[in-house]
Amino acid sequence: TQLLEQSPQFLSIQEGENLTVYCNSSSVFSSLQWYRQEPGEGPVLLVTVVTGGEVKKLKRLTFQFGDARKDSSLHITAAQTGDTGLYLCAGAKDQGAQKLVFGQGTRLTINP
Amino acid sequence: NAGVMQNPRHLVRRRGQEARLRCSPMKGHSHVYWYRQLPEEGLKFMVYLQKENIIDESGMPKERFSAEFPKEGPSILRIQQVVRGDSAAYFCASSPSGTPNGYTFGSGTRLTVV
Repeated sequence: TQLLEQSPQFLSIQEGENLTVYCNSSSVFSSLQWYRQEPGEGPVLLVTVVTGGEVKKLKRLTFQFGDARKDSSLHITAAQTGDTGLYLCAGAKDQGAQKLVFGQGTRLTINP
Repeated sequence: NAGVMQNPRHLVRRRGQEARLRCSPMKGHSHVYWYRQLPEEGLKFMVYLQKENIIDESGMPKERFSAEFPKEGPSILRIQQVVRGDSAAYFCASSPSGTPNGYTFGSGTRLTVV
């Protein structure tokens, strides 16, 4: 049973296009994080969202936490080849929970 | 400014051998987490440790796997009598507090069982 479902699993688009990646669950999370992972490396934290409805921007990346804290989205504007990578969402079930539940990831490829 | 250091980066073991994976957390971090990642999958929680204590091992297989974080030295994830299904990337993360909002991951150890 996958607690966090990411969609799409694979996405290949041209440089300059916009895209949105989704992370959905039937469970409520106290916080949710997005990571980016390069081949052969560990995940690198991009953002943490903790409040329902919260929106955070990181340059061309916009992250949103659903009002009910069950889902999240990552929107990339004017994608660049450097955005290529595996994007993982991860949630903490309870306040003070020490472990994260990860989605299976979205493999993003930006073509020049 | 060293991050989370894991070694070795790559480890090849024959079936039945033991694998020892090491993780040195970031300076000032006393909380260590181990995760396992199978190819094309997300990470799965294994165990959470503080110095000299196992806090949550709910993700650890019941047999052959053990973890420790001694007072001095790195955290060790030990897999005894490895099998092909243990082949995966094992990641360690550390944080200064007991909540995951401040995770920093290491680069992982890729274990291949032949």
